[in-house]
Amino acid sequence: DGGITQSPKYLFRKEGQNVTLSCEQNLNHDAMYWYRQDPGQGLRLIYYSQIVNDFQKGDIAEGYSVSREKKESFPLTVTSAQKNPTAFYLCASGGQGTLSYNSPLHFGNGTRLTVT
Amino acid sequence: LAKTTQPISMDSYEGQEVNITCSHNNIATNDYITWYQQFPSQGPRFIIQGYKTKVTNEVASLFIPADRKSSTLSLPRVSLSDTAVYYCLVGDQGGSTLGRLYFGRGTQLTVWP
Repeated sequence: DGGITQSPKYLFRKEGQNVTLSCEQNLNHDAMYWYRQDPGQGLRLIYYSQIVNDFQKGDIAEGYSVSREKKESFPLTVTSAQKNPTAFYLCASGGQGTLSYNSPLHFGNGTRLTVT
Repeated sequence: LAKTTQPISMDSYEGQEVNITCSHNNIATNDYITWYQQFPSQGPRFIIQGYKTKVTNEVASLFIPADRKSSTLSLPRVSLSDTAVYYCLVGDQGGSTLGRLYFGRGTQLTVWP
């Protein structure tokens, strides 16, 4: 079955440490995204990538970094510069090149990061 | 990005039809309307998408009036398992705006026995 996998499901870190969240998809989608969700809130876009080796900042990119070396993978690093890193992080993918128009997003089941 | 307005919460009972209305006054010509469902501690899941008039699938129906400034998600005969947050999104899902969709707080639907 095709899908999008985020790991780990729960992650605990000490303040001041960088941490990397994994996102892998086997849907052959060109575009991948990272969102952050805080309790009772909607999703906010952190970074997105429409093609390998290219990515753009979303609305709340400060304190985060990404890479897109492979089509299937889009890891997110939460750096020590992120002031409030504790949140639920969601990865999504969508679109296949010229067929991307109006294709819905597919989401992983998220990683809940707790920083103390 | 076109923003949307939807009720914060709704309550219903099992077996009833639920209609959730979303307002999107500044929808653009190329924009489609998409609804997602999210359960706690899970990623959102695509429900239905439409451009105008009515769209129906095995899960829901989407009604869009001629002016496209609002849309209504209709869930027939809801069950307890339909308790979730429902997001209405408006955007051009092609090209450079793919994924830059505004997820508001959504509508928390609670279905009671």
